[in-house]
Amino acid sequence: NAGVTQTPKFQVLKTGQSMTLQCAQDMNHNSMYWYRQDPGMGLRLIYYSASEGTTDKGEVPNGYNVSRLNKREFSLRLESAAPSQTSVYFCASSEAGGRYEQYFGPGTRLTVT
Amino acid sequence: SQQGEEDPQALSIQEGENATMNCSYKTSINNLQWYRQNSGRGLVHLILIRSNEREKHSGRLRVTLDTSKKSSSLLITASRAADTASYFCAAPGAGGSYIPTFGRGTSLIVHP
Repeated sequence: NAGVTQTPKFQVLKTGQSMTLQCAQDMNHNSMYWYRQDPGMGLRLIYYSASEGTTDKGEVPNGYNVSRLNKREFSLRLESAAPSQTSVYFCASSEAGGRYEQYFGPGTRLTVT
Repeated sequence: SQQGEEDPQALSIQEGENATMNCSYKTSINNLQWYRQNSGRGLVHLILIRSNEREKHSGRLRVTLDTSKKSSSLLITASRAADTASYFCAAPGAGGSYIPTFGRGTSLIVHP
């Protein structure tokens, strides 16, 4: 089992460029999440998908969109990147919402110049 | 807003000593989870304690939960240099959404 995989590992964007962060899990989990982690801020939830076919906003959704492509895959899109989106992005999955532990991917380190 | 808040923000100890971290939360919870993050890596789940449990053990880890005080503690006994990491608690968000929200973490350094 690979667990939760994320691509790419590193990315540098110029302001205004767009990109999609990919996430996949092979644990047959229903719920998937996108977080961002900034120094001193802990992890903040961007979007989550409680189950296939549903997505909901988290604490900091502005500037992002998501797609739950199927049960395995949950992508995060930045339509017009801004320097404030420089961060480390983590994808996670869990069996069914917060009643169960989450499994995290290795993260994507994004720099927007 | 963060549901779980860890204390202290930083902790520095010698190998062999015990390390205690605390977590406070604001609303009633279904469970509380502790995670570890090594530098530059993703979070790894350590222990989940449910609201009807008071204490849970896993190897050198001991977690307690006091729902009357809305607080939890993580004790690492006989710490090792490899325990150096950041530790986070996560609790379901306010309103029973069951989406865990994380605190800012406790940075633990264990000196060999």
